[in-house]
Amino acid sequence: EVQLLESGGGLVQPGGSLRLSCAASGFTFSSYAMSWVRQAPGKGLEWVSAISGSGGSTYYADSVKGRFTISRDNSKNTLYLQMNSLRAEDTAVYYCAKVGSETLGWYFDLWGRGTLVTVSS
Amino acid sequence: EIVMTQSPATLSVSPGERATVSCRASQSVSSNLAWYQQKPGQAPRLLIYGASTRATGIPARFSGSGSGTEFTLTISSLQSEDFAVYYCQQYNNWPGTFGQGTKVEIK
Repeated sequence: EVQLLESGGGLVQPGGSLRLSCAASGFTFSSYAMSWVRQAPGKGLEWVSAISGSGGSTYYADSVKGRFTISRDNSKNTLYLQMNSLRAEDTAVYYCAKVGSETLGWYFDLWGRGTLVTVSS
Repeated sequence: EIVMTQSPATLSVSPGERATVSCRASQSVSSNLAWYQQKPGQAPRLLIYGASTRATGIPARFSGSGSGTEFTLTISSLQSEDFAVYYCQQYNNWPGTFGQGTKVEIK
């Protein structure tokens, strides 16, 4: 079955760190770029970060640049998001998403169920 | 950053009727536009990419049109399972940006 399964969310204090993971199955993970997209409670979707299939290229939204690091382990079919210096405004459900095609464009054709990150004291 | 503006914010439609959602980009995104459906408590699902190409398994009642800065998602005959929030996303420029969403509710 083709699926993405996120883990690692939870409650963290402002200034703290958290590492999200996304386990992929059912497709050739290393052939596809991957991304993290978040959704604050009751709000819309915000693209956070993306990484090419090889891992050689990474991209970040300005709101997280310098604080978040995206990475992948193609031998483990797993995507990561290391989140440091967390702020209250980072509170959201974080979705792992598969990019449909690096050549046709970075839209997202498969999404995980999401993991909730809450930043609060 | 390209700003995507959807209208209306909420659309009230009776089952079996047509629903039309609009999305406008602050600058041209060519045909690099996707539409997603999101139901409460669920992840988004890709409906349309390339402005008009249906994703795998998406029923034919969903169609997309437009290019440049003006785009439309049309649901030809609303079914009960289509009541949800719909988002457009441009992927022509970094970062890919989403519209604020349109809620399609039962009239």
